[in-house]
Amino acid sequence: DQQVKQNSPSLSVQEGRISILNCDYTNSMFDYFLWYKKYPAEGPTFLISISSIKDKNEDGRFTVFLNKSAKHLSLHIVPSQPGDSAVYFCAALNYGGSQGNLIFGKGTKLSVKP
Amino acid sequence: NAGVTQTPKFRILKIGQSMTLQCAQDMNHNYMYWYRQDPGMGLKLIYYSVGAGITDKGEVPNGYNVSRSTTEDFPLRLELAAPSQTSVYFCASSRDRGYNEQFFGPGTRLTVL
Repeated sequence: DQQVKQNSPSLSVQEGRISILNCDYTNSMFDYFLWYKKYPAEGPTFLISISSIKDKNEDGRFTVFLNKSAKHLSLHIVPSQPGDSAVYFCAALNYGGSQGNLIFGKGTKLSVKP
Repeated sequence: NAGVTQTPKFRILKIGQSMTLQCAQDMNHNYMYWYRQDPGMGLKLIYYSVGAGITDKGEVPNGYNVSRSTTEDFPLRLELAAPSQTSVYFCASSRDRGYNEQFFGPGTRLTVL
């Protein structure tokens, strides 16, 4: 049973526009959420995170929004750049359970076209 | 700092063969992890370690073994390789568990034929 779901396998966006990547989760005990970015033939790299006590966290062009009642989070990239083309993984954590280990979604491949 | 390094980058095994995937980190992190990523899937935790001499199972440990004799190294052993173990394997490390960012190595692509 997938606890973290990224239902869009891919997303294509024009350079300069907004990219919105979505993530849903089923476990209400998750208390921390992270986004990782992965280029081909490289390992994932951390992008941004949010605690369940917040509903928004911003870092430069990247903003993550959390809607706990809907068990939904989204990553906004504004403006999108060609270098943002990568696979984005949503991950969730229940610090008190799962030995504090991350649960990953399947990823969304973002393509930003010039 | 090299960060997290993994060797080899690629490997082809025959069914029933064994091998060790190497992982090392130079950030003095206590926590280390092994993940596998199957095509079109997310990363799944195989084993993790909270420090030298201490390891524990993750979500998909069957068919694998680990050891952690030093802070820096966390090798993953595959015994009796099976086609189901064809995957990309990532090693990661973090300063603490959970809330802290995990740093990933570049991965090892393993094919079992």
